[in-house]
Amino acid sequence: AQSVSQHNHHVILSEAASLELGCNYSYGGTVNLFWYVQYPGQHLQLLLKYFSGDPLVKGIKGFEAEFIKSKFSFNLRKPSVQWSDTAEYFCAVNANYGQNFVFGPGTRLSVLP
Amino acid sequence: DTEVTQTPKHLVMGMTNKKSLKCEQHMGHRAMYWYKQKAKKPPELMFVYSYEKLSINESVPSRFSPECPNSSLLNLHLHALQPEDSALYLCASSQQVVDYEQYFGPGTRLTVT
Repeated sequence: AQSVSQHNHHVILSEAASLELGCNYSYGGTVNLFWYVQYPGQHLQLLLKYFSGDPLVKGIKGFEAEFIKSKFSFNLRKPSVQWSDTAEYFCAVNANYGQNFVFGPGTRLSVLP
Repeated sequence: DTEVTQTPKHLVMGMTNKKSLKCEQHMGHRAMYWYKQKAKKPPELMFVYSYEKLSINESVPSRFSPECPNSSLLNLHLHALQPEDSALYLCASSQQVVDYEQYFGPGTRLTVT
């Protein structure tokens, strides 16, 4: 069965530190990849997405992600985090032409001021 | 308008009650989704509607009954729920099921007593 894993359950960083959150998926076919963020008390928002083309995608709020097909990975990065980035981050995969949409378990990011 | 609205925000119901959750979008999206999210867990897909027809039912118990009266509305009818059904119920929509990102509503916090 298709699955999505995220490397870290909880990441704690100081402001201005660099961030990388890992995401791996198991599906071997064509996939669309997403990162969603859930700020405390707010609904899920799309950070960025990859459908095709340039494997380095840029999203909102200074986030970017790189799709490495050979590694089945889609890691999220930000060069300098802010306290306001404190949130839960979910990687998600849409595979099999929309028949499977699976979220990873999530990574909680805490940024210390 | 890129908003998905859900009502009510909070719902407390007994195990013998019948209630309904409502979701609405006016983005012209033809795919709509119901997810269940337990605390500190990722959203789990329950149902997918594509062009007002149920296309995916992820083996959800029959005490949950979805309905899509038209392309803008999605309902989730609840009957004889169990305490373990208490969760945040999220609605989402996308242009179509394939190849498009989902826009999420704020959710309905359901407590079953």
